[in-house]
Amino acid sequence: GAGVSQSPRYKVAKRGQDVALRCDPISGHVSLFWYQQALGQGPEFLTYFQNEAQLDKSGLPSDRFFAERPEGSVSTLKIQRTQQEDSAVYLCASSLAYEQYFGPGTRLTVT
Amino acid sequence: AQKVTQAQTEISVVEKEDVTLDCVYETRDTTYYLFWYKQPPSGELVFLIRRNSFDEQNEISGRYSWNFQKSTSSFNFTITASQVVDSAVYFCALSETTDSWGKLQFGAGTQVVVTP
Repeated sequence: GAGVSQSPRYKVAKRGQDVALRCDPISGHVSLFWYQQALGQGPEFLTYFQNEAQLDKSGLPSDRFFAERPEGSVSTLKIQRTQQEDSAVYLCASSLAYEQYFGPGTRLTVT
Repeated sequence: AQKVTQAQTEISVVEKEDVTLDCVYETRDTTYYLFWYKQPPSGELVFLIRRNSFDEQNEISGRYSWNFQKSTSSFNFTITASQVVDSAVYFCALSETTDSWGKLQFGAGTQVVVTP
């Protein structure tokens, strides 16, 4: 497809488990962003990649959160030792210029 | 501090009514970008419009129109003759050029409910 895809769409994790969320950006898009959206809130910035370089990770809430984009295309957001407060929708967006195009998100529920 | 304020949490209208969504932003940058996104129940954010800080012309796209006023730091969005398919959460967002890389700062969103 032509859009941003994310997998899995839904993930249930027990507290303490590690999870990995995948993002496939639009082909050719240099910029890739991750956002976290809590229920009833607007998305909050987590991290930004330009090609394979992670240029801003100021929004990552703790050192349990780690993101990578090793070949400048697919990106993975990893959360270690998940906590209940990590429950949210994780959105990925890619961009060529100013407009960011979002994927459907991964809804993470930590029980 | 919240840089984008959407004071209306929810707006309910009957089909064919007009609805205006308010957005107030705060920035010290002289160059910045404002956006509106739609998030239908399916969850995917859909890009609607981008406006840069130097272009204060109002814009109309079909039933959608936007009113950008730098003097009041507002970027309001109007849906004319609303339809049930317009039911969604609408987000206003700001991108500051002195901030990194075009990251978006979103408001809390306004839920629009259009009933037949």
